[in-house]
Amino acid sequence: EVQLVESGGGLVQPGGSLRLSCVASGFTFSDYFMDWVRQAPGKGLEWVGRIKIRGDSYTTDYAASVKGRFTISRDDSKNSLYLQMNSLRTEDTAVYYCARENWYRFDYWGQGTLVTVSS
Amino acid sequence: QSVLTQPPSVSAAPGQKVTISCTGSSSNIENNYVSWYQVLPGTAPKLLIYDNNNRPSGIPDRFSGSKSGTSATLGITGLQTGDEADYYCGTWDSSLSGYVFGSGTRVTVL
Repeated sequence: EVQLVESGGGLVQPGGSLRLSCVASGFTFSDYFMDWVRQAPGKGLEWVGRIKIRGDSYTTDYAASVKGRFTISRDDSKNSLYLQMNSLRTEDTAVYYCARENWYRFDYWGQGTLVTVSS
Repeated sequence: QSVLTQPPSVSAAPGQKVTISCTGSSSNIENNYVSWYQVLPGTAPKLLIYDNNNRPSGIPDRFSGSKSGTSATLGITGLQTGDEADYYCGTWDSSLSGYVFGSGTRVTVL
């Protein structure tokens, strides 16, 4: 059974940093692109970014709203995906989901972790 | 403002049919596969339709998808109270080099 479990969310002040983790199981993690998607309270889904596989040099892509502030990485030996978030803003407050990307579709999602940016 | 436009809400009685439109452009819908996601209250998104009109295993055939030009459509027949949720279309945008979601549509069963 495919499982994605996020952790690391919490309350952080504007300008602060936070690192989210996502541990995967039930599939060969290293074979898949992995993405982060967020949903702000009362708002719609927003793609954050993705990391490709080793064969694609672990290339990353980011949404314009987070580029230069967020960094996605992965550790295939630990079946883990990470999202390093710096220079956080109040508008980054959201539930953050990790998702498995399978040919431009997100076929499995984690349960999400809440990030609140507030003073 | 979302790149993909959806109606904010649609509603129908149990057993009836609803359709949800998703309008984009040549840089996204017209030249890339469209997926649809269901977000039930308090839960993670779930893939409903992929590659315009395919259903993952376990998704009932009451859900269907189609695409024509720069628009895509999700159809739900035999509406059930358990279908009350938010629905999002999504696809890759070649100009933005990123994935884009629709603005979301809330389905209400009357």
